[in-house]
Amino acid sequence: DTAVSQTPKYLVTQMGNDKSIKCEQNLGHDTMYWYKQDSKKFLKIMFSYNNKELIINETVPNRFSPKSPDKAHLNLHINSLELGDSAVYFCASRGGGNEKLFFGSGTQLSVL
Amino acid sequence: GESVGLHLPTLSVQEGDNSIINCAYSNSASDYFIWYKQESGKGPQFIIDIRSNMDKRQGQRVTVLLNKTVKHLSLQIAATQPGDSAVYFCAENRLDGNEKLTFGTGTRLTIIP
Repeated sequence: DTAVSQTPKYLVTQMGNDKSIKCEQNLGHDTMYWYKQDSKKFLKIMFSYNNKELIINETVPNRFSPKSPDKAHLNLHINSLELGDSAVYFCASRGGGNEKLFFGSGTQLSVL
Repeated sequence: GESVGLHLPTLSVQEGDNSIINCAYSNSASDYFIWYKQESGKGPQFIIDIRSNMDKRQGQRVTVLLNKTVKHLSLQIAATQPGDSAVYFCAENRLDGNEKLTFGTGTRLTIIP
């Protein structure tokens, strides 16, 4: 069973569209994250939720809105997509008193 | 500004040889460090971690060394195999209450058959 799963794996869309990426973890973790990886492989944190509450927002544009319906899910909605939003987005989770993050396999977003 | 970075962006190693990937950090308050491996098309996978009260930790074929004096972290991979080819990231956890991992820029390791 996949511990952290995100969908879709690939997302190709036009500039100006609105899209969502979903993430689910079955590890029972309390904390979930969204990271963005650019074309140079640099991984940067975007958001963190702990038990459905937002705890980290790294000055991400308002067009990005995370939503956590329960602690096992953290979805990412993006409005008015821009070319610069093209990247790979990774969901991750952490819990059980452990510091390490478990990552999903990523969603490659291409904005045309 | 404070950062976690790597000395070399790429590294090529002959299969069977040992490899060393280096990482520099600048925040003295960091108390936890992790190495991740990212294969093509996949998410980062945990390799090994170390706390700041240690200077060495060993796993299976991997060893992490921490030198707090010079704020340097290294990952040693013994007897490299083709499956070790990947991008390797170091990451730090800072003591600022936000519980977020900050990643370095990554090193691409290529194992030459």
